[in-house]
Amino acid sequence: EIVMTQSPATLSVSPGERATLSCRASQSVSSNLAWYQQKPGQAPRLLIYGASTRATGIPARFSGSGSGTEFTLTISSLQSEDFAVYYCQQYNNWPPNWTFGQGTKVEIK
Amino acid sequence: EVQLVESGGGLVQPGGSLRLSCAASRFTFSSYWMSWVRQAPGKGLEWVANIKQDGSEKYYVDSVKGRFTISRDNAKNSLYLQMNSLRAEDTAVYYCARGGLTAASSGWFDYWGQGTLVTVSS
Repeated sequence: EIVMTQSPATLSVSPGERATLSCRASQSVSSNLAWYQQKPGQAPRLLIYGASTRATGIPARFSGSGSGTEFTLTISSLQSEDFAVYYCQQYNNWPPNWTFGQGTKVEIK
Repeated sequence: EVQLVESGGGLVQPGGSLRLSCAASRFTFSSYWMSWVRQAPGKGLEWVANIKQDGSEKYYVDSVKGRFTISRDNAKNSLYLQMNSLRAEDTAVYYCARGGLTAASSGWFDYWGQGTLVTVSS
């Protein structure tokens, strides 16, 4: 099983500041990585797939980068609605045994 | 807007069974891979199973193999998850999620339902 490790567990950021979230895979997943945002009591929302492609309707302040085992989600200027938990997910293997990271909580500083 | 609505969750005793349903609307359901993803209370996300458009391919996470069965009825625009031999560790919110049009694009989920809570407890 590919283990996805996210850091930090919690990130305290002031509105308007940049947030940088990391995700590491235990083995290469190429660019087969997605990022999701989840707010309390809500379903996850797809932000990024293919490591760097924004999903439909996602603001440009969200960007993804990386390949292989190291990935980054950057939120260029945090808005109030961006405070949430963010998950990375690899979908590299077939037959599928897709796995998520444990999440990074972005909270208001 | 795409809509996915899960139902069928509830309280069940260990060893019991439950069938979850997901009603899809506002997109061509028969064209997409579909998945179930779960989230234990206060925990992260876990992919559970997925199914090809015509139901000819089905895949499961190891922890549910032999106990859970994913299926679909394209005529009813519905996805199902039959869960047998339930364990306490299966307690979670179960989400129905839409994958892509191809196997290569089936691994990310662009639409999710609101989830249905399954609680396995005596």
